[in-house]
Amino acid sequence: QVQLQESGPGLVKPSETLSLTCTVSGGSISNSYWSWIRQPPGKGLEWIGYIYYSGSTNYNPSLKSRVTISEDTSKNQFSLKLRSVTAADTAVYYCARSGDYNDYLDYWGQGTLVTVSS
Amino acid sequence: EIVLTQSPGTLSLSPGERATLSCRASQSVSSSYLAWYQQKPGQAPRLLIYGASSRATGIPDRFSGSGSGTDLTLTISRLEPEDFAVYYCQQYGSSPLTFGGGTKVEIK
Repeated sequence: QVQLQESGPGLVKPSETLSLTCTVSGGSISNSYWSWIRQPPGKGLEWIGYIYYSGSTNYNPSLKSRVTISEDTSKNQFSLKLRSVTAADTAVYYCARSGDYNDYLDYWGQGTLVTVSS
Repeated sequence: EIVLTQSPGTLSLSPGERATLSCRASQSVSSSYLAWYQQKPGQAPRLLIYGASSRATGIPDRFSGSGSGTDLTLTISRLEPEDFAVYYCQQYGSSPLTFGGGTKVEIK
């Protein structure tokens, strides 16, 4: 059973970079696609992007200029960096797995709340 | 980008009743690449349905998905107390992946 766990600072200052890591257990990151999704408080879900173990990425055009997703196969982790954050980036951030590119998300982390505030 | 519109926004029903949730796409979802998720307060979304009509592992058969093209439906045949939650549709036929705004199923 694949399990995912997000980690990172819960508070980020405006204009700084949000950095989160997702640790995968119960399976290797080397055979699936790994996504980040976010959910502002009380609102719906927004897909941020994904990475494949080969290093190939696909980002939501709405965030593409500010996002980088990377992987560390030696630690079975992948990471999210979102630059130049504002209050509008305050959200619960989830990591999730899919079996193929452009696919449904079958395993999710529990999510971590990141607040952007000075 | 494919925009998904879910209706109604809120559905007030009693346990044992049938729930019908709609997801309308701004353009046809290719190969029925549509999924449904359930989310309870403070929890991550849980996959219910993929491929428009295939139940995910461990999902009870009271949940069913149907439709194709631009009109998709999630039906819960008889609501159990644990089914009261928010439901999201998601298309994965084209990038970017997009979600609907959600339907809240609440106890009447």
